[in-house]
Amino acid sequence: DAGITQSPRYKITETGRQVTLMCHQTWSHSYMFWYRQDLGHGLRLIYYSAAADITDKGEVPDGYVVSRSKTENFPLTLESATRSQTSVYFCASSESARTGDSYGYTFGSGTRLTVV
Amino acid sequence: AQSVTQLGSHVSVSEGALVLLRCNYSSSVPPYLFWYVQYPNQGLQLLLKYTSAATLVKGINGFEAEFKKSETSFHLTKPSAHMSDAAEYFCAVSASTTILTGGGNKLTFGTGTQLKVEL
Repeated sequence: DAGITQSPRYKITETGRQVTLMCHQTWSHSYMFWYRQDLGHGLRLIYYSAAADITDKGEVPDGYVVSRSKTENFPLTLESATRSQTSVYFCASSESARTGDSYGYTFGSGTRLTVV
Repeated sequence: AQSVTQLGSHVSVSEGALVLLRCNYSSSVPPYLFWYVQYPNQGLQLLLKYTSAATLVKGINGFEAEFKKSETSFHLTKPSAHMSDAAEYFCAVSASTTILTGGGNKLTFGTGTQLKVEL
C-alpha cells in the first residue's frame, strides 16, 4: 500500500543497546523527518533529510544517527540507548523543495520506544 | 524565528457545544499555518491549512480556522462537538525565513491541545 510506514510499532530495549527505527515512504517525497513526541514538549525535530545522501540536524540530534541511501528509506539509529530517549518517534515526509511552500507533512503511525 | 503558542494544553467541551482551540503565531513574514489532529496511538493527520488564498479555511470533519493577521491568530473551531473529535490537536507554522538544507519549508509545531468531549 502507498504511504509512510514505520517499524516496529513498539520496542523495548535496554540501556546501552543500539536500536534502529525504520521509516519507508512510497511517494518519492524529497524531504523526510524524524520527530520525537514527549509530554509537555510537543514534537521536536531530531534529524531531517532533503534528498538521498543529504541529511541535517534538527533541534535534538544528540544520541541519534540517520542515513538516507535511498529516497524511500530514512532509518533512525540510537547508538547507545538511554532512558531519556524513551519516547514516541514519528517519521514524516514532504514533497516540498521550495522555500515557503505550503505543503504540509505526512506522518507515519509512530514507534513507541521504551528504554529500560 | 517562527513559533506557535497553543493556549490551553487541555480543553473540555460537552457534546454538541462549540469547540474553540487557540493558536497564536509569531513570524516576521506572511506564514503558512496548519492544524493537525492526532488520535490515540496514531500519527498526525492534516486537518486544514492556510496558504493566503482565503482567511477562512475549511477542513475535514467540520473544522474550520480563521487567519487573523492583526491578532496573529489561527484559532480552530467547530460549531458542534462530537465524541469522535476527542484527540490532540497541533497548530504548526511554516515561513520562508526558516529554511531547511535544500531550500524546503520547515514546520514548527505547538505543544498541542488535548480535546476532551463529554456527554
